[in-house]
Amino acid sequence: AQSVTQLGSHVSVSEGALVLLRCNYSSSVPPYLFWYVQYPNQGLQLLLKYTSAATLVKGINGFEAEFKKSETSFHLTKPSAHMSDAAEYFCAVSPSGGSQGNLIFGKGTKLSVKP
Amino acid sequence: GAVVSQHPSRVICKSGTSVKIECRSLDFQATTMFWYRQFPKQSLMLMATSNEGSKATYEQGVEKDKFLINHASLTLSTLTVTSAHPEDSSFYICSARGGSGTTDTQYFGPGTRLTVL
Repeated sequence: AQSVTQLGSHVSVSEGALVLLRCNYSSSVPPYLFWYVQYPNQGLQLLLKYTSAATLVKGINGFEAEFKKSETSFHLTKPSAHMSDAAEYFCAVSPSGGSQGNLIFGKGTKLSVKP
Repeated sequence: GAVVSQHPSRVICKSGTSVKIECRSLDFQATTMFWYRQFPKQSLMLMATSNEGSKATYEQGVEKDKFLINHASLTLSTLTVTSAHPEDSSFYICSARGGSGTTDTQYFGPGTRLTVL
C-alpha cells in the first residue's frame, strides 16, 4: 500500500526566507510524486511532478522538489518566499504502471508567509 | 493548461434532498475523471474513479447508491448526492485526466461546497 506523510501541518516563514515543505512516501513500486497547491475555497493546482526522469524537478512559481529514493522523500523548496505563496500544499503519490493513476494525498501543510 | 470547471460552486440544500454536481473538462477530452471529498482542514479523499462509458469504481467505504456518478461523455461527469444528510456536507472536488497513462496530469476543478441543513 502507498502512503504519504507530510511533516508539519503548519509552516510559517518570513517573506524572502527559504521555504521547505517535507514529504515522505511509502510505496512498494516505483512511485510518481506530485505537489499541489490549494488556495482557500479553490481546487488544486499542480506545482510539479516526478515521473522517474530527472530527480530534481522544477515547477511553477519558483518551486522545486528533489526525489531521494534512499530517503523516500520528495521535499518541496523555494529559495525566497513571497506573500502570494501562502496556501495549503499537498504532496501526493501515484503508482507507476497502474491503470488508474489514482492519487493518494498527504494531509497537507499550510504555509504562512510573514511580512 | 487544461481547465476543469465545476457547477455549482456552492450549494445549500435540505436534508433528504438530492444534489447534482457537474464536472466538465473545457478544452480537452477526459477519459478518466475522479471525485474527491475534502473535510475541513483535512486532505482529499478519493471517492470514485469514472471512465467514460463505464461504471464508476468506488473506493472502500463509499456508498455507490448514495453517491451516483455518471460519466456519459468525454467532457462531463456528474456526481449526485442522493438523500443528503448533514454529514454529507463537505467540499467535493473533481479532477480529469486526458490520457490513459498514469503520468498524465490530473487537472482539478475549483470544487463545490455542499452544505446540508
